Amino acid sequence: DGGITQSPKYLFRKEGQNVTLSCEQNLNHDAMYWYRQDPGQGLRLIYYSQIVNDFQKGDIAEGYSVSREKKESFPLTVTSAQKNPTAFYLCASSMGTGSHEQYFGPGTRLTVT
Amino acid sequence: EDQVTQSPEALRLQEGESSSLNCSYTVSGLRGLFWYRQDPGKGPEFLFTLYSAGEEKEKERLKATLTKKESFLHITAPKPEDSATYLCAVPHGSSNTGKLIFGQGTTLQVKP
Repeated sequence: DGGITQSPKYLFRKEGQNVTLSCEQNLNHDAMYWYRQDPGQGLRLIYYSQIVNDFQKGDIAEGYSVSREKKESFPLTVTSAQKNPTAFYLCASSMGTGSHEQYFGPGTRLTVT
Repeated sequence: EDQVTQSPEALRLQEGESSSLNCSYTVSGLRGLFWYRQDPGKGPEFLFTLYSAGEEKEKERLKATLTKKESFLHITAPKPEDSATYLCAVPHGSSNTGKLIFGQGTTLQVKP
């Protein structure tokens, strides 16, 4: 079955620690995206990548970093510089430029205390 | 500025009571409008894509329509399992990056 997987589903970290969220897709999609969802704020774009080895900042990139070394994978690192890291993180993918339908993974809920 | 606004924020219906959700958008050169369903604690599930005014798409009890300024998601005779948050989104008008602008969502509760 084709789809997007995110792991883990729940993640707990202490303040000051970096943490990496996994996102893998087997849809053969070129583009991948990371969103953050907070209650009452909707989805906000963190980073996106239209092609392997290239990525761009979204609207709220500060305190986050990404890599895109493989087409299937787009991991997100939440660094200690992110002031409010507790949130629900969603990964999505699409076929790429010219096709905007994005398909989402199940999400990772990160709690930092 | 590109913008998407959904209304109402929350909607409570009795089972079988039909209604509509609204998605108003302001974007230069619409290149699609997308509807998603999101259950609590899960990722959004893609429902429909609409590309041009007058277009309609249907899936079970849901029908999405599009005008030049807004889209409606009509829910006919809803059931409790239709309870979810419904999101709409449009691509940024000024670029072809695939970036989407999402509305805040409408949370629908259908009571038996």
